[in-house]
Amino acid sequence: ETGVTQSPTHLIKTRGQQVTLRCSSQSGHNTVSWYQQALGQGPQFIFQYYREEENGRGNFPPRFSGLQFPNYSSELNVNALELDDSALYLCASSFLNEQFFGPGTRLTVL
Amino acid sequence: GQQVMQIPQYQHVQEGEDFTTYCNSSTTLSNIQWYKQRPGGHPVFLIQLVKSGEVKKQKRLTFQFGEAKKNSSLHITATQTTDVGTYFCAGRIQGAQKLVFGQGTRLTINP
Repeated sequence: ETGVTQSPTHLIKTRGQQVTLRCSSQSGHNTVSWYQQALGQGPQFIFQYYREEENGRGNFPPRFSGLQFPNYSSELNVNALELDDSALYLCASSFLNEQFFGPGTRLTVL
Repeated sequence: GQQVMQIPQYQHVQEGEDFTTYCNSSTTLSNIQWYKQRPGGHPVFLIQLVKSGEVKKQKRLTFQFGEAKKNSSLHITATQTTDVGTYFCAGRIQGAQKLVFGQGTRLTINP
């Protein structure tokens, strides 16, 4: 096990709704990244947080936002959900360039 | 945009045969990482390569990073059924924080 946990494991939402996904990293891992993985594809980088500040972002619109907290937990918020947002959302904490992925949250948008 | 292409998309082998997946980047990478994802699971870190021309081995797995730091490969010798899964390369673009994943190579094995 990687020591990275995510909640919830599964979630069903409807178009236009908002969602918050949570991640708890290993103690001491002060970098967390969030990824979106569509079925049959590789993970797509959403953004990265280091010491509670965003320090890198992929090609995702502003309705994807995040927070990182001092206790090594973090959140991914998605507003105005669209059908194409249906995917597995993965968080990964980093230590010395090695990334430890959580089990993911499977989001379905109807 | 920055892309990391990975081939083949699928590979089916007989148990005991070798397997190779290749990764190519449109831009120079500062490093490349390899991950394995079992069906229904999450990516698990295998290794990171940093130096030009670097070769690393983990038991039956051999990882290479090209001289130009734009391509990489993973070779598995004498596959076993436990090797089943999707193998992803992920390149870190020079000067950027983000890790760009390839599309993955899904390996299936006939016992």
